[in-house]
Amino acid sequence: AQSVTQLDSQVPVFEEAPVELRCNYSSSVSVYLFWYVQYPNQGLQLLLKYLSGSTLVKGINGFEAEFNKSQTSFHLRKPSVHISDTAEYFCAVSENSGYALNFGKGTSLLVTP
Amino acid sequence: EPEVTQTPSHQVTQMGQEVILRCVPISNHLYFYWYRQILGQKVEFLVSFYNNEISEKSEIFDDQFSVERPDGSNFTLKIRSTKLEDSAMYFCASSTDHNSPLHFGNGTRLTVT
Repeated sequence: AQSVTQLDSQVPVFEEAPVELRCNYSSSVSVYLFWYVQYPNQGLQLLLKYLSGSTLVKGINGFEAEFNKSQTSFHLRKPSVHISDTAEYFCAVSENSGYALNFGKGTSLLVTP
Repeated sequence: EPEVTQTPSHQVTQMGQEVILRCVPISNHLYFYWYRQILGQKVEFLVSFYNNEISEKSEIFDDQFSVERPDGSNFTLKIRSTKLEDSAMYFCASSTDHNSPLHFGNGTRLTVT
């Protein structure tokens, strides 16, 4: 069975600072990995995904994530955050690239001036 | 950009009543999903639907729940005999195929009193 752990429930950061949101997973088979973002009062929006190929994945809004199979991690990074990046970020894993996503509990990113 | 639309945004119902949550997936999508998020907890997979039948469901999706695609555009989740613990945000999602990422709606917040 898969599981996803997001180690930080809240991450406060100053504007223009770098940020890393951590995600670890466990699975007995190959997985596909995703990061979704949820802005206040909105649905989940796909930030980026890893299905195969290059382990460094670039997504929207300047975010990127690196798949590390040996450490079973898929941490999300951004070199310089904006106030508008304040949102809830969810890591998710699937044994296929589509349905039955298994989500982490989410990390609340709060960017302040 | 096409969106997944969910109505209503907030539904309040009394315990024991039946509710129907409605979703209009993106028009050329063929796979449909329901997820839920209980306040303070992670997003959980409920069910996936393809070709007019359930393709996968979680342990949460018991006989109390049912899904239907009554016409060419709507995808509904029916919850019978609602319980207090059914209070959650319910997200609908759709995708073009099972290899494509999910597109989520903004959710329906269900409050059972």
